[in-house]
Amino acid sequence: GESVGLHLPTLSVQEGDNSIINCAYSNSASDYFIWYKQESGKGPQFIIDIRSNMDKRQGQRVTVLLNKTVKHLSLQIAATQPGDSAVYFCAETPPDKLIFGTGTRLQVFP
Amino acid sequence: NAGVMQNPRHLVRRRGQEARLRCSPMKGHSHVYWYRQLPEEGLKFMVYLQKENIIDESGMPKERFSAEFPKEGPSILRIQQVVRGDSAAYFCASSQAGRNQPQHFGDGTRLSIL
Repeated sequence: GESVGLHLPTLSVQEGDNSIINCAYSNSASDYFIWYKQESGKGPQFIIDIRSNMDKRQGQRVTVLLNKTVKHLSLQIAATQPGDSAVYFCAETPPDKLIFGTGTRLQVFP
Repeated sequence: NAGVMQNPRHLVRRRGQEARLRCSPMKGHSHVYWYRQLPEEGLKFMVYLQKENIIDESGMPKERFSAEFPKEGPSILRIQQVVRGDSAAYFCASSQAGRNQPQHFGDGTRLSIL
């Protein structure tokens, strides 16, 4: 079936370094993608989104890149901080519902 | 400016009982979605509702599960005759009307079945 998957289950980075979290998707009909951050015991928190007519979008300390040719998304976090430690999910939308990947755990160490 | 509100945060039920999970969407949001999450996994879509209408329930089990979003009041996810396998975190999200609107999530209800 259709799926969104992540390459790395856990990513450990040093505080201050940049983090890159990758995601592959398989539904070529998806035209909208979202990155969420989920901390323990909480719901997913919206980070940034991108539509399929774009290949890059920047927010505050975060950048999402979309490569439709290879169906790949990445989330870049600049100057990673301890507060960035969480599980990160990419999600795609064939219309009206989100299909989530299994998540990447980001661990930030001093 | 309250976000998506879910209650209860934790719910314990014995096998065979009924579980009712409530969700109040963000102000101005008319679309509600329910997802289920098992530990260390991503969220799985269950159902998408607008006021008084079920738009897509393709992710919801055919038996024992039902959802509603009445004209007044919160959306309700109802699980009848619960079994151990229903133990999970259930998340509600809401969005504005229109295509490709971001979904914003509540902090979920953790359902435990004894």
